[in-house]
Amino acid sequence: SAVISQKPSRDICQRGTSLTIQCQVDSQVTMMFWYRQQPGQSLTLIATANQGSEATYESGFVIDKFPISRPNLTFSTLTVSNMSPEDSSIYLCSVEGYLAGGGNNEQFFGPGTRLTVL
Amino acid sequence: EDQVTQSPEALRLQEGESSSLNCSYTVSGLRGLFWYRQDPGKGPEFLFTLYSAGEEKEKERLKATLTKKESFLHITAPKPEDSATYLCAVQVYNQGGKLIFGQGTELSVKP
Repeated sequence: SAVISQKPSRDICQRGTSLTIQCQVDSQVTMMFWYRQQPGQSLTLIATANQGSEATYESGFVIDKFPISRPNLTFSTLTVSNMSPEDSSIYLCSVEGYLAGGGNNEQFFGPGTRLTVL
Repeated sequence: EDQVTQSPEALRLQEGESSSLNCSYTVSGLRGLFWYRQDPGKGPEFLFTLYSAGEEKEKERLKATLTKKESFLHITAPKPEDSATYLCAVQVYNQGGKLIFGQGTELSVKP
């Protein structure tokens, strides 16, 4: 399977600031996803990031709050903008696609970024 | 609405005591059902993908099965290192690869 890294692994931020999270994959992948895992909750998809096109956001998530970049087939960023304590979560990127070393639609996850907003 | 429900929420076992975790789903068109293991502070670790009713997959002490309404993750003779949260997720046709997760089952195996 693909090796996925995220930076930073954790951060503590002040209300009203923004944080950009990076996701790096060691092989070229077709689809990348960003998920949120709120404390004690399961994972919820924020958006799908495909190279060469704009990200597709799920209901309840907007581009102004969570802008995403996908400049190439191995890298993506998620920015959490104008943060509030409600944004305190673990943010995870995942990758899918044959190039990732799995089956046709298997998804592999990065280690996550634990964000605390004060 | 596509939904995934896992039970029980928490399960405590003694080492060697076999059991099963359940994942019930209601979806418009199942593309695949996924099982993941998540340790505290880490991202989910991929275990299995099941695609059609009747399919089974095994990995060490774990065996996943699939019917048209639910999936089971059977754990045979568990060890303390099997303690983790087990997540079930479904992928639905025409939803672009999105995974819809259940709430997870927190498994604790005591020596």
